[in-house]
Amino acid sequence: EIVMTQSPATLSVSPGERATLSCRASQSVSSNLAWYQQKPGQAPRLLIYGASTTATGIPARFSGSGSGTQFTLTISSLRSEDFAIYYCHQYNIWPLSFGGGTKVEI
Amino acid sequence: EVQLLESGGGLVQPGGSLTLSCAASGFSFSNFAMTWVRQAPGKGLEWVSSVSDTGGSTYYADSVKGRFTISRDNSRNTLYLQMNSLRAEDTALYHCVKGGGAEFDYWGQGTLVTVSS
Repeated sequence: EIVMTQSPATLSVSPGERATLSCRASQSVSSNLAWYQQKPGQAPRLLIYGASTTATGIPARFSGSGSGTQFTLTISSLRSEDFAIYYCHQYNIWPLSFGGGTKVEI
Repeated sequence: EVQLLESGGGLVQPGGSLTLSCAASGFSFSNFAMTWVRQAPGKGLEWVSSVSDTGGSTYYADSVKGRFTISRDNSRNTLYLQMNSLRAEDTALYHCVKGGGAEFDYWGQGTLVTVSS
């Protein structure tokens, strides 16, 4: 089973600042990595897939990078609506797995 | 517009059973794998089970293997999750998700399962 580890658990930033979230896989997942955003009371929303491809309708300030075991989600200039929990997810090998999440807060 | 509408959640005693359903619309259901993902109260996301587009292949998390069964009816555009021998730790919001073995591009709002005496 591939364990996905996200860091930090909580990221405190101010609007307009850059946020960098990390996700590490316990073994290579190639580029089969997605990022999701979840706001309170809502279902998760797909942001990035294939490690670096932005999903339809996602603002350009969101970007993903990495391959193998190390991945990064970058939010270039935080807006108030970006404060949420972010999860990474590997879909390279069964069983599928999620990271524990990073909460982005003010 | 893709819609995934879960139903069937509720309160059940430990050891009991429950069947969740997910009615899908807005896409060609029979062409896509489907998945159940759960989220315990205040916790993160946990993959539960996936089924291939034809229903011929199924996959389970170790935590539910042998107790849960995923299935689909492509004629009804509906996904199911039969849950037996339920435990307190199965208490969660269960999301129906489009995809499996790939990114999850659409999520339902979920149906709440509470296992308690």
